Amino acid sequence: KQEVTQIPAALSVPEGENLVLNCSFTDSAIYNLQWFRQDPGKGLTSLLLIQSSQREQTSGRLNASLDKSSGRSTLYIAASQPGDSATYLCAVSSLGRLYFGRGTQLTVWP
Amino acid sequence: EAGVAQSPRYKIIEKRQSVAFWCNPISGHATLYWYQQILGQGPKLLIQFQNNGVVDDSQLPKDRFSAERLKGVDSTLKIQPAKLEDSAVYLCASSSLSLKRRPNTEAFFGQGTRLTVV
Repeated sequence: KQEVTQIPAALSVPEGENLVLNCSFTDSAIYNLQWFRQDPGKGLTSLLLIQSSQREQTSGRLNASLDKSSGRSTLYIAASQPGDSATYLCAVSSLGRLYFGRGTQLTVWP
Repeated sequence: EAGVAQSPRYKIIEKRQSVAFWCNPISGHATLYWYQQILGQGPKLLIQFQNNGVVDDSQLPKDRFSAERLKGVDSTLKIQPAKLEDSAVYLCASSSLSLKRRPNTEAFFGQGTRLTVV
């Protein structure tokens, strides 16, 4: 069974810092990995999707990397802003399903 | 294009009552998913439809939960009777193809329905 773990569970930083959020998965037989953002009481917004054949994807200040063999992905957020405050979820497509981690709750203060 | 639509956004009910949630997927998406997200946890798949057929309902508590997608478009998820532990956000998602058929397909999520059972 696929298990997804996200570290840290929570992170609080001042504005302007560069951040790294970590995601690990137990079964390397994945088809893709997706990073989502979730604001309080809201649904999931897809940030980046990395296919299993890719090593990284970039969108603006966000960069996600994937090391399938070691079962790890990182989401790098450059020059963080208060508007980045949200919960960030990692999900892997595996065995016909999406498996989610518990998320990292990020707070960026001015 | 319009996203995944869900209603209601919020619902508060007493335990043992029944409740229903509605979802309209992105136009043309054959696959529809219902997820349950308990506070502090990641979403967990409840049921997956391919058109109007069930692909995966192995994690659906069938004694109290039911779902249908009669015409292969919109879907309803029902809980009857509700328990306190059903308090969660219920997320609907859709994709153009099933993850079983095309595992690298991207799924798109709605805003969710927050259910509170008191």
